[in-house]
Amino acid sequence: GAVVSQHPSRVICKSGTSVKIECRSLDFQATTMFWYRQFPKKSLMLMATSNEGSKATYEQGVEKDKFLINHASLTLSTLTVTSAHPEDSSFYICSATGPLEYGYTFGSGTRLTVV
Amino acid sequence: SQQGEEDPQALSIQEGENATMNCSYKTSINNLQWYRQNSGRGLVHLILIRSNEREKHSGRLRVTLDTSKKSSSLLITASRAADTASYFCATALRYNQGGKLIFGQGTELSVKP
Repeated sequence: GAVVSQHPSRVICKSGTSVKIECRSLDFQATTMFWYRQFPKKSLMLMATSNEGSKATYEQGVEKDKFLINHASLTLSTLTVTSAHPEDSSFYICSATGPLEYGYTFGSGTRLTVV
Repeated sequence: SQQGEEDPQALSIQEGENATMNCSYKTSINNLQWYRQNSGRGLVHLILIRSNEREKHSGRLRVTLDTSKKSSSLLITASRAADTASYFCATALRYNQGGKLIFGQGTELSVKP
């Protein structure tokens, strides 16, 4: 089955620093990856869609310069939270799609805490 | 962006009882999916129902879809404590062709032993 690995699972950083989250498809080529943000006891909010080799498409209200997404290869997408602030603290989850039979596969999420 | 509402937002039942969760959506869909999320974890795909299907079963799960009402329900029969989790419906316009997957608000299910 399809597996998506997301790292780190937890990260604590200081305000003003940048944090990179990686999302890798381990056994399939992910043509499209999605990044979601989830607040406690809330649903997943789609932040952006990234296709390999092209610029990410951001959802309305998501700051492109704040949340940098790179999808340089068919197996790796990264989300960089730049100049992080406490309000960026959240649970971030990636999802990848590839071959039709694999559907949408989700990473295990990253708990970001900005102090 | 959110696709719609799910109800109830929270559901607490005893082990052995059935749990029913409902989901409504706003746009035309190709399919609707249900996912499970344990606290602080990623999502696990449970079941997919296509827009031309009305009901689907998978083990203790039963999903219905009413496209005229733009709603779906997930029934978990003979619930177990291990079913405690949040359940989300999600819709995609173009399944697995780069289509965005948009989630409902979710139902937090608690199954007491």
